[in-house]
Amino acid sequence: QKEVEQNSGPLSVPEGAIASLNCTYSDRGSQSFFWYRQYSGKSPELIMFIYSNGDKEDGRFTAQLNKASQYVSLLIRDSQPSDSATYLCAVNIGWGFNKFYFGSGTKLNVKP
Amino acid sequence: GAVVSQHPSWVICKSGTSVKIECRSLDFQATTMFWYRQFPKQSLMLMATSNEGSKATYEQGVEKDKFLINHASLTLSTLTVTSAHPEDSSFYICSAPGLAGAYNEQFFGPGTRLTVL
Repeated sequence: QKEVEQNSGPLSVPEGAIASLNCTYSDRGSQSFFWYRQYSGKSPELIMFIYSNGDKEDGRFTAQLNKASQYVSLLIRDSQPSDSATYLCAVNIGWGFNKFYFGSGTKLNVKP
Repeated sequence: GAVVSQHPSWVICKSGTSVKIECRSLDFQATTMFWYRQFPKQSLMLMATSNEGSKATYEQGVEKDKFLINHASLTLSTLTVTSAHPEDSSFYICSAPGLAGAYNEQFFGPGTRLTVL
């Protein structure tokens, strides 16, 4: 398996704060990067993807990609208790219908 | 988005029996599907790539004779866990890719919880 590393956490932030989740990957051939949210006992749900260096914003979420440093992050602004979940970083290597490799996930706790 | 279903959602079986899990793409065709396994508090581990009309390709360390994959149609892939043992108890999730391209999204099924007694 390709290496995708995440801090397992838990990461605790107060409600309304910014949560910052980080992910590093080992394969320089990685083309696209995804953040998924997974609640306990459920399958992952896509938050957003990014494939170009820089920032990509979608509502309260911002993904940041730095291919030179092999680093991708997810910022959650105005964190809500409902954001409490495990966040999985996934890397798609290559083009087309290629395989996803997941990090171990970071557990986020947003405290009211 | 596209919908992927799995059946059953949970199954309990005795050690030594075989269990079949179905993965269906409901409103789109999927020539490729992926099977993952997730142990408690761990991430999704890719097991194999299911290819319609051809043999599945397995990740290193996954026993192809134990985890049989059949992708008989453009909307159905099945995973059979043969001679299941308690260590095979896990959450099995399938996925199917969306549009072609480097950033194509994976649509995940709801998962199947397997418990082997």
